[in-house]
Amino acid sequence: SQQGEEDPQALSIQEGENATMNCSYKTSINNLQWYRQNSGRGLVHLILIRSNEREKHSGRLRVTLDTSKKSSSLLITASRAADTASYFCATALSPTGKLIFGQGTTLQVKP
Amino acid sequence: DGGITQSPKYLFRKEGQNVTLSCEQNLNHDAMYWYRQDPGQGLRLIYYSQIVNDFQKGDIAEGYSVSREKKESFPLTVTSAQKNPTAFYLCASSPSAAGGTDNYGYTFGSGTRLTVV
Repeated sequence: SQQGEEDPQALSIQEGENATMNCSYKTSINNLQWYRQNSGRGLVHLILIRSNEREKHSGRLRVTLDTSKKSSSLLITASRAADTASYFCATALSPTGKLIFGQGTTLQVKP
Repeated sequence: DGGITQSPKYLFRKEGQNVTLSCEQNLNHDAMYWYRQDPGQGLRLIYYSQIVNDFQKGDIAEGYSVSREKKESFPLTVTSAQKNPTAFYLCASSPSAAGGTDNYGYTFGSGTRLTVV
């Protein structure tokens, strides 16, 4: 079964609004990563948060990690139509370093 | 430019045929990975290689084979034993053998879409 489960599965918002996606996982992790995938394309790495970090920012992205609840959230502020994509969380497992991906959240930002 | 090149972009396989998907990287990354993505789904790990001449099965290795004879190349063969091969295949790499735990993200190729005809 997948390590990460994302919520919601789909999200539709207006341009300028904030988008929040959540990810839950099952086992202890080394870090948690978020990726974006445009339709029919490969994944692009957005941001990584280590297991000893609680919050991280990168531009309009804010990621939080709660290891006690085994959950993370990705916030995209002031969304743009170009943010329309699928977003995946992935957890890195020791010692193999394998990344295990969630099912993804499909975000649609309407202009 | 450094990156991962997957080819072909589209591939059609006849029943009972083996096909090979190419993955080449010029990033000097140690580890490479193959994932399968079905429509509306997440990625599932097929095989991975942490160093040259070594590879490990992922979660869905049955019906697939790989080789890692060179650091920059990690081809995936979809054999006739894979009964439902229609999917989007993604190759990725990471800088060290530690993979995702080295606190670097993966770099992905643009994918190969395989269809059984």
